[in-house]
Amino acid sequence: EPEVTQTPSHQVTQMGQEVILRCVPISNHLYFYWYRQILGQKVEFLVSFYNNEISEKSEIFDDQFSVERPDGSNFTLKIRSTKLEDSAMYFCASSRDTPEQYFGPGTRLTVT
Amino acid sequence: DQQVKQNSPSLSVQEGRISILNCDYTNSMFDYFLWYKKYPAEGPTFLISISSIKDKNEDGRFTVFLNKSAKHLSLHIVPSQPGDSAVYFCAASGGSARQLTFGSGTQLTVLP
Repeated sequence: EPEVTQTPSHQVTQMGQEVILRCVPISNHLYFYWYRQILGQKVEFLVSFYNNEISEKSEIFDDQFSVERPDGSNFTLKIRSTKLEDSAMYFCASSRDTPEQYFGPGTRLTVT
Repeated sequence: DQQVKQNSPSLSVQEGRISILNCDYTNSMFDYFLWYKKYPAEGPTFLISISSIKDKNEDGRFTVFLNKSAKHLSLHIVPSQPGDSAVYFCAASGGSARQLTFGSGTQLTVLP
């Protein structure tokens, strides 16, 4: 059964550094998403991406964040200058033209 | 802003009995509801969903009930198995927005 994959599983970075989190969505899916979960808090929506452009974004997704689909398979989330409060699990998800979204295993980002 | 609420942080059930997980929502724009299951160190796994035009959807041991007038949904698992022990998240989407809004989750423990 096809799955969403994410790399790395754990990323440690220093405050102010740039990080890129990578995702390979399910191959025939059209919509791609990033969510995050800060420890002890809810899963929060960050951004959705369709047809090579952002379709929705939350208040969290400010100018420090960007997304890209650099080729036909990868979907990336870049944080330009990480802050301590960016420490969280980041989940990539994808979907066909239906509401059901399928999530990857997540990347744990630790900012020190 | 708790648009999706799961008021029970935990639930323990004996193996073979029914597990009932509850979820309430406040946003009238929500028209699609999903349940996800999450094990530690993994991403949310889609379980079952329901559109607001229905009041029940069943898939094997899992049934979701929707009461639109009460803005309440529930997930029934019958019979419960020890492998069902996980955190269960309720999520909702609505209108043209594809983003999922999650509840805070309920930790289900099925005792052998």
